[in-house]
Amino acid sequence: NAGVTQTPKFQVLKTGQSMTLQCAQDMNHEYMSWYRQDPGMGLRLIHYSVGAGITDQGEVPNGYNVSRSTTEDFPLRLLSAAPSQTSVYFCASTARGRGNTGELFFGEGSRLTVL
Amino acid sequence: EDQVTQSPEALRLQEGESSSLNCSYTVSGLRGLFWYRQDPGKGPEFLFTLYSAGEEKEKERLKATLTKKESFLHITAPKPEDSATYLCAVQASGTYKYIFGTGTRLKVLA
Repeated sequence: NAGVTQTPKFQVLKTGQSMTLQCAQDMNHEYMSWYRQDPGMGLRLIHYSVGAGITDQGEVPNGYNVSRSTTEDFPLRLLSAAPSQTSVYFCASTARGRGNTGELFFGEGSRLTVL
Repeated sequence: EDQVTQSPEALRLQEGESSSLNCSYTVSGLRGLFWYRQDPGKGPEFLFTLYSAGEEKEKERLKATLTKKESFLHITAPKPEDSATYLCAVQASGTYKYIFGTGTRLKVLA
C-alpha cells in the first residue's frame, strides 16, 4: 500500500495562476481532507469529504475548491493564486465508522510558493 | 469554540533528561485526542489516540495521558532520534473535523 500520495511535492506559481494539488489514497478511506500548515499557526482545515460526491468547508476554505468523484481521489484547486496561499499543504484520510480509531493518515505534503 | 493549546513551543533536552509536553483543550464533547510526530519536510505520523479521562497509552519512550482538560506526552530518557515536532489534535463528538495545536518542537542533544 502506498498510503496517501500527494503531487506535486513542490510548486511555484505567479499571482493569478490556477493549479490543482492531487491527492490519492489506496486504503479505501471514506474521509479525506486538506490542511495547510503555516509557521506558528498549526494545521488548519481547508475542505473535507466524508465520501464520494460529498464535500464540506473547513476553517479556511476561501480561494480553494474541491471535488470528490471517486473514493480514492480528492484534488484541491487553487482558483487564482495569491501570495497568502504560500504554504505547505497536507492531504489526510481516515476510515469512518465504529471500531476505527479516527487516526489521520497524512501525505508527505506539497510546498507551494506564490510570487 | 473548540481549541487546542500546546506548551511549550520549543524544548531542548539533554539525552536521558525526561520531560513532559502539554496539550490543553476545549471541545464540545471529546470523541478522541490524538498525538502525532512530525519530522522536518514530512507529514505528521500518528502516535496515540486517547478517548476518555484517565486513559494512558505507551510506546517505547513515550507515554500519553488524558484528563478532562489536558493531555500530557511524557518522554522518558529521550534520545536524539526523538527530536521532532509533536502535534496534538482533538476531534469533537459528532464531527469529522480535527482541531490541531501549533505543536512543540523538541530537540534532544547528545
